Amino acid sequence: NAGVTQTPKFQVLKTGQSMTLQCAQDMNHEYMSWYRQDPGMGLRLIHYSVGAGITDQGEVPNGYNVSRSTTEDFPLRLLSAAPSQTSVYFCASSGMGGGYGYTFGSGTRLTVV
Amino acid sequence: SQQGEEDPQALSIQEGENATMNCSYKTSINNLQWYRQNSGRGLVHLILIRSNEREKHSGRLRVTLDTSKKSSSLLITASRAADTASYFCATEGSSGYSTLTFGKGTMLLVSP
Repeated sequence: NAGVTQTPKFQVLKTGQSMTLQCAQDMNHEYMSWYRQDPGMGLRLIHYSVGAGITDQGEVPNGYNVSRSTTEDFPLRLLSAAPSQTSVYFCASSGMGGGYGYTFGSGTRLTVV
Repeated sequence: SQQGEEDPQALSIQEGENATMNCSYKTSINNLQWYRQNSGRGLVHLILIRSNEREKHSGRLRVTLDTSKKSSSLLITASRAADTASYFCATEGSSGYSTLTFGKGTMLLVSP
Protein backbone atom coordinates (compact mmCIF):
# COMPACT_ATOMS: atom_id res chain seq x y z
CA ASN A 1 0.00 0.00 0.00
CA ALA A 2 1.22 3.48 -0.85
CA GLY A 3 2.20 5.56 2.13
CA VAL A 4 4.86 6.35 4.69
CA THR A 5 6.59 3.47 6.44
CA GLN A 6 8.41 3.94 9.73
CA THR A 7 10.60 1.42 11.49
CA PRO A 8 10.92 0.34 14.21
CA LYS A 9 7.53 0.83 15.89
CA PHE A 10 8.98 0.59 19.38
CA GLN A 11 12.50 1.06 20.72
CA VAL A 12 14.15 1.26 24.11
CA LEU A 13 17.58 2.85 24.31
CA LYS A 14 20.04 3.44 27.09
CA THR A 15 21.29 6.95 27.68
CA GLY A 16 24.22 7.67 25.39
CA GLN A 17 23.34 5.09 22.75
CA SER A 18 22.78 6.11 19.16
CA MET A 19 20.23 4.83 16.69
CA THR A 20 18.51 5.60 13.41
CA LEU A 21 14.79 5.83 12.89
CA GLN A 22 13.87 4.84 9.37
CA CYS A 23 11.29 6.52 7.16
CA ALA A 24 10.41 5.61 3.59
CA GLN A 25 7.65 6.82 1.27
CA ASP A 26 6.59 5.49 -2.13
CA MET A 27 4.52 8.43 -3.35
CA ASN A 28 7.38 10.32 -4.99
CA HIS A 29 6.85 13.19 -2.57
CA GLU A 30 9.55 15.83 -2.55
CA TYR A 31 8.83 17.10 0.93
CA MET A 32 9.54 14.99 4.02
CA SER A 33 9.68 15.90 7.68
CA TRP A 34 10.16 14.52 11.18
CA TYR A 35 8.04 15.49 14.16
CA ARG A 36 8.06 14.48 17.77
CA GLN A 37 4.92 14.29 19.84
CA ASP A 38 5.00 14.72 23.59
CA PRO A 39 2.01 14.75 25.97
CA GLY A 40 0.37 18.17 26.05
CA MET A 41 2.82 19.57 23.48
CA GLY A 42 1.28 18.67 20.16
CA LEU A 43 3.72 17.94 17.32
CA ARG A 44 6.98 19.78 17.01
CA LEU A 45 9.09 19.85 13.86
CA ILE A 46 12.59 18.40 14.20
CA HIS A 47 14.02 18.47 10.66
CA TYR A 48 12.64 18.62 7.17
CA SER A 49 13.74 18.15 3.59
CA VAL A 50 12.45 19.65 0.35
CA GLY A 51 14.24 17.17 -1.87
CA ALA A 52 17.19 14.83 -2.16
CA GLY A 53 20.33 16.47 -0.82
CA ILE A 54 18.46 19.32 0.90
CA THR A 55 17.66 19.38 4.61
CA ASP A 56 16.91 22.07 7.15
CA GLN A 57 16.25 22.42 10.85
CA GLY A 58 12.87 22.75 12.45
CA GLU A 59 11.85 23.91 15.89
CA VAL A 60 13.67 21.27 17.99
CA PRO A 61 16.70 19.98 16.01
CA ASN A 62 19.26 19.57 18.80
CA GLY A 63 20.46 16.00 19.30
CA TYR A 64 19.20 14.83 15.90
CA ASN A 65 20.74 14.48 12.45
CA VAL A 66 19.12 13.83 9.10
CA SER A 67 20.20 13.20 5.54
CA ARG A 68 18.28 12.77 2.30
CA SER A 69 20.22 10.81 -0.29
CA THR A 70 17.12 9.60 -2.18
CA THR A 71 13.59 10.92 -2.69
CA GLU A 72 12.16 7.88 -0.91
CA ASP A 73 14.16 7.77 2.35
CA PHE A 74 14.60 10.25 5.17
CA PRO A 75 16.28 8.66 8.22
CA LEU A 76 16.50 10.40 11.59
CA ARG A 77 19.60 9.76 13.67
CA LEU A 78 19.85 10.20 17.41
CA LEU A 79 23.49 10.90 18.11
CA SER A 80 23.63 10.25 21.88
CA ALA A 81 20.23 9.44 23.31
CA ALA A 82 19.00 11.34 26.35
CA PRO A 83 15.89 10.76 28.50
CA SER A 84 14.51 14.05 27.15
CA GLN A 85 14.27 12.37 23.76
CA THR A 86 11.70 9.91 25.03
CA SER A 87 8.80 10.62 22.70
CA VAL A 88 6.74 9.39 19.79
CA TYR A 89 8.34 10.24 16.47
CA PHE A 90 6.38 10.74 13.27
CA CYS A 91 7.63 11.01 9.74
CA ALA A 92 5.45 12.77 7.16
CA SER A 93 5.62 13.51 3.45
CA SER A 94 3.85 15.84 1.06
CA GLY A 95 3.87 17.07 -2.50
CA MET A 96 5.87 20.23 -3.08
CA GLY A 97 4.56 23.70 -3.70
CA GLY A 98 2.39 23.99 -0.67
CA GLY A 99 -1.30 23.35 -0.33
CA TYR A 100 -1.09 19.58 0.03
CA GLY A 101 -2.10 17.50 2.99
CA TYR A 102 0.63 15.51 4.68
CA THR A 103 0.75 11.74 4.83
CA PHE A 104 2.00 10.48 8.18
CA GLY A 105 3.66 7.26 9.17
CA SER A 106 2.33 5.25 12.10
CA GLY A 107 5.09 6.45 14.42
CA THR A 108 8.01 5.16 16.46
CA ARG A 109 7.61 5.10 20.22
CA LEU A 110 11.06 5.67 21.72
CA THR A 111 11.97 5.32 25.37
CA VAL A 112 15.39 6.36 26.63
CA VAL A 113 16.32 4.99 30.04
CA SER B 1 6.71 27.57 19.27
CA GLN B 2 3.13 26.46 18.71
CA GLN B 3 1.33 28.36 15.97
CA GLY B 4 -2.16 26.99 16.40
CA GLU B 5 -4.07 26.72 19.63
CA GLU B 6 -7.16 24.54 19.72
CA ASP B 7 -10.13 25.15 21.92
CA PRO B 8 -11.49 23.35 23.82
CA GLN B 9 -8.75 21.00 24.97
CA ALA B 10 -11.34 18.27 25.49
CA LEU B 11 -14.91 17.80 24.32
CA SER B 12 -17.40 15.11 25.31
CA ILE B 13 -20.68 14.68 23.42
CA GLN B 14 -23.32 12.06 22.62
CA GLU B 15 -23.67 10.29 19.30
CA GLY B 16 -25.72 12.30 16.87
CA GLU B 17 -24.69 15.66 18.30
CA ASN B 18 -22.48 18.14 16.49
CA ALA B 19 -18.91 18.81 17.61
CA THR B 20 -17.22 22.15 17.11
CA MET B 21 -13.52 22.75 17.62
CA ASN B 22 -11.75 26.06 17.24
CA CYS B 23 -8.21 26.97 16.29
CA SER B 24 -6.38 30.26 16.60
CA TYR B 25 -3.03 31.09 15.05
CA LYS B 26 -0.54 33.92 15.16
CA THR B 27 1.10 34.64 11.81
CA SER B 28 0.03 34.89 8.19
CA ILE B 29 -0.67 31.58 6.52
CA ASN B 30 -0.87 29.95 3.11
CA ASN B 31 -3.40 27.41 4.30
CA LEU B 32 -4.77 25.72 7.40
CA GLN B 33 -5.27 21.99 7.73
CA TRP B 34 -7.09 19.70 10.15
CA TYR B 35 -5.89 16.26 11.14
CA ARG B 36 -7.34 13.42 13.18
CA GLN B 37 -5.33 11.09 15.39
CA ASN B 38 -6.78 7.95 16.86
CA SER B 39 -5.15 6.71 20.04
CA GLY B 40 -1.71 5.26 19.36
CA ARG B 41 -1.89 5.97 15.63
CA GLY B 42 -0.46 8.41 13.14
CA LEU B 43 -2.24 11.54 11.98
CA VAL B 44 -4.72 11.46 9.15
CA HIS B 45 -5.34 14.49 6.96
CA LEU B 46 -8.99 15.56 7.00
CA ILE B 47 -9.32 18.83 5.14
CA LEU B 48 -7.33 21.82 3.91
CA ILE B 49 -8.60 25.36 3.53
CA ARG B 50 -6.59 28.00 1.70
CA SER B 51 -6.12 31.54 2.96
CA ASN B 52 -8.42 32.94 0.26
CA GLU B 53 -11.26 30.56 1.17
CA ARG B 54 -13.81 31.16 3.90
CA GLU B 55 -15.59 27.82 4.14
CA LYS B 56 -15.08 24.29 2.95
CA HIS B 57 -17.06 21.07 3.26
CA SER B 58 -16.09 17.42 3.11
CA GLY B 59 -18.75 14.88 4.01
CA ARG B 60 -19.77 15.57 7.62
CA LEU B 61 -16.94 18.07 8.06
CA ARG B 62 -17.28 21.81 7.71
CA VAL B 63 -14.30 24.12 8.12
CA THR B 64 -14.36 27.88 8.29
CA LEU B 65 -11.45 30.29 8.16
CA ASP B 66 -11.39 33.91 9.27
CA THR B 67 -8.01 35.38 8.40
CA SER B 68 -8.87 38.75 9.94
CA LYS B 69 -9.30 37.05 13.31
CA LYS B 70 -6.65 34.42 12.61
CA SER B 71 -9.03 31.66 13.54
CA SER B 72 -10.65 28.54 12.14
CA SER B 73 -13.34 26.15 13.24
CA LEU B 74 -14.00 22.50 12.49
CA LEU B 75 -17.57 21.27 12.72
CA ILE B 76 -18.35 17.55 12.70
CA THR B 77 -22.04 16.98 12.20
CA ALA B 78 -24.01 13.98 13.44
CA SER B 79 -21.05 12.61 15.42
CA ARG B 80 -20.43 8.89 15.71
CA ALA B 81 -18.52 6.89 18.30
CA ALA B 82 -15.90 6.28 15.60
CA ASP B 83 -15.18 10.03 15.55
CA THR B 84 -13.59 9.68 19.00
CA ALA B 85 -10.03 10.92 18.47
CA SER B 86 -7.74 13.91 18.89
CA TYR B 87 -8.07 16.66 16.32
CA PHE B 88 -5.25 18.99 15.40
CA CYS B 89 -5.12 22.14 13.36
CA ALA B 90 -1.93 22.91 11.49
CA THR B 91 -0.89 25.99 9.59
CA GLU B 92 1.36 26.30 6.59
CA GLY B 93 3.22 29.59 6.54
CA SER B 94 3.05 32.03 3.69
CA SER B 95 6.80 32.41 3.24
CA GLY B 96 9.67 30.07 2.64
CA TYR B 97 9.43 26.33 2.28
CA SER B 98 6.36 24.39 3.19
CA THR B 99 6.37 23.46 6.87
CA LEU B 100 3.38 22.70 9.05
CA THR B 101 3.05 24.05 12.57
CA PHE B 102 0.63 22.15 14.78
CA GLY B 103 -1.52 23.10 17.71
CA LYS B 104 -1.85 20.98 20.83
CA GLY B 105 -5.11 19.37 19.78
CA THR B 106 -8.65 18.80 20.98
CA MET B 107 -9.59 15.40 22.41
CA LEU B 108 -13.09 14.48 21.28
CA LEU B 109 -15.05 11.74 23.02
CA VAL B 110 -18.29 10.64 21.41
CA SER B 111 -20.37 8.39 23.63
CA PRO B 112 -22.94 5.93 22.22
